[in-house]
Amino acid sequence: DTEVTQTPKHLVMGMTNKKSLKCEQHMGHRAMYWYKQKAKKPPELMFVYSYEKLSINESVPSRFSPECPNSSLLNLHLHALQPEDSALYLCASSLGQGGSTNEKLFFGSGTQLSVL
Amino acid sequence: SQQGEEDPQALSIQEGENATMNCSYKTSINNLQWYRQNSGRGLVHLILIRSNEREKHSGRLRVTLDTSKKSSSLLITASRAADTASYFCATDRIPGGGNKLTFGTGTQLKVEL
Repeated sequence: DTEVTQTPKHLVMGMTNKKSLKCEQHMGHRAMYWYKQKAKKPPELMFVYSYEKLSINESVPSRFSPECPNSSLLNLHLHALQPEDSALYLCASSLGQGGSTNEKLFFGSGTQLSVL
Repeated sequence: SQQGEEDPQALSIQEGENATMNCSYKTSINNLQWYRQNSGRGLVHLILIRSNEREKHSGRLRVTLDTSKKSSSLLITASRAADTASYFCATDRIPGGGNKLTFGTGTQLKVEL
């Protein structure tokens, strides 16, 4: 299984809602990532988990709260979002072996989020 | 600021032609990767080239890396309509590499029949 599965595929939420994005992989990868991508722009790194510990937070606003319950799952909890947070949210994973930088990322298909 | 800038921003060619995309970056790197993204979908890894390598091939893909010029190119030979996608270079930086990939601005490739 070489897939990263993201749910839901589409999400519409109001600014007062609380929702969660989910990501799952069963490749035994120990590094997992959240990226945000606006239309016609490159993905921007938000968070990196390494061995279930948050290792990188790219100064993301606190209305985005990541969680890594176990080595296969990654969640992104959303609360009080703004319309400018509307974007494609991509999850990715990599082997995460010993901090090696020569690793390719496996991406999910993303969640298209619209904040009204 | 973006670590990688790509040109051209958009490229339209006929099926069977070759497509060349360029990526420039600002700081020293451990490796450079290329990814493809079909519209509204996730990214797919194409090829990784290490900083001590100059050229790498994978099927119809050829990647070059010139660390003295801080640039890389991706060549797709004998293009097909299915190659229509956005292509991104991605780098990890020295210091502070680890798992922190930064993506370039991307090239939108359209291959017409």
